[in-house]
Amino acid sequence: DGGITQSPKYLFRKEGQNVTLSCEQNLNHDAMYWYRQDPGQGLRLIYYSQIVNDFQKGDIAEGYSVSREKKESFPLTVTSAQKNPTAFYLCASSRSGGADTQYFGPGTRLTVL
Amino acid sequence: GQQVMQIPQYQHVQEGEDFTTYCNSSTTLSNIQWYKQRPGGHPVFLIQLVKSGEVKKQKRLTFQFGEAKKNSSLHITATQTTDVGTYFCAGHRSNFGNEKLTFGTGTRLTIIP
Repeated sequence: DGGITQSPKYLFRKEGQNVTLSCEQNLNHDAMYWYRQDPGQGLRLIYYSQIVNDFQKGDIAEGYSVSREKKESFPLTVTSAQKNPTAFYLCASSRSGGADTQYFGPGTRLTVL
Repeated sequence: GQQVMQIPQYQHVQEGEDFTTYCNSSTTLSNIQWYKQRPGGHPVFLIQLVKSGEVKKQKRLTFQFGEAKKNSSLHITATQTTDVGTYFCAGHRSNFGNEKLTFGTGTRLTIIP
């Protein structure tokens, strides 16, 4: 069963705590992405990676960090520096970045109390 | 940077009526993709357009890429309740190295039964 998995589906954290969201893919894709979606809003790119051990900031990287130690995995850490972390977080992957079609995971809904 | 705008932001239609969403880019695109996100779900790829003036159809959905490759539209004929969701376009600029897809702001379609 191929695809992208994100866990957990719902996550609750207290203000001031760092939290790491998981994203795993078994599609053998080189590129992976993290997006943030707020209610009624579009997709805003946080970070992306086109190859293992390399990643670039997207449009709203402040308060977030990522790592890409394995091709299959691209975890996102929401740090306490992120002013308004409550949102729906979507991970995606594509064969090799650029114009390639992106395949999205089911998302993680993070609520910071 | 590249901006991709969609109009309208929201559209409410009676079941059976037609629906159109428009996508406009500030720069010329090498291709444009369309995605659909059902309520509570994640974006799913619908189609990709590459050629100037290209028109593609998927059952009741018609996708068009403008002659200047800076705009696109999605038209749904005789909407059904299954069409509910948010439709995103995503554009890619050519000849810009590692340029990524830029997602539009989305159009949220609701159907009145």
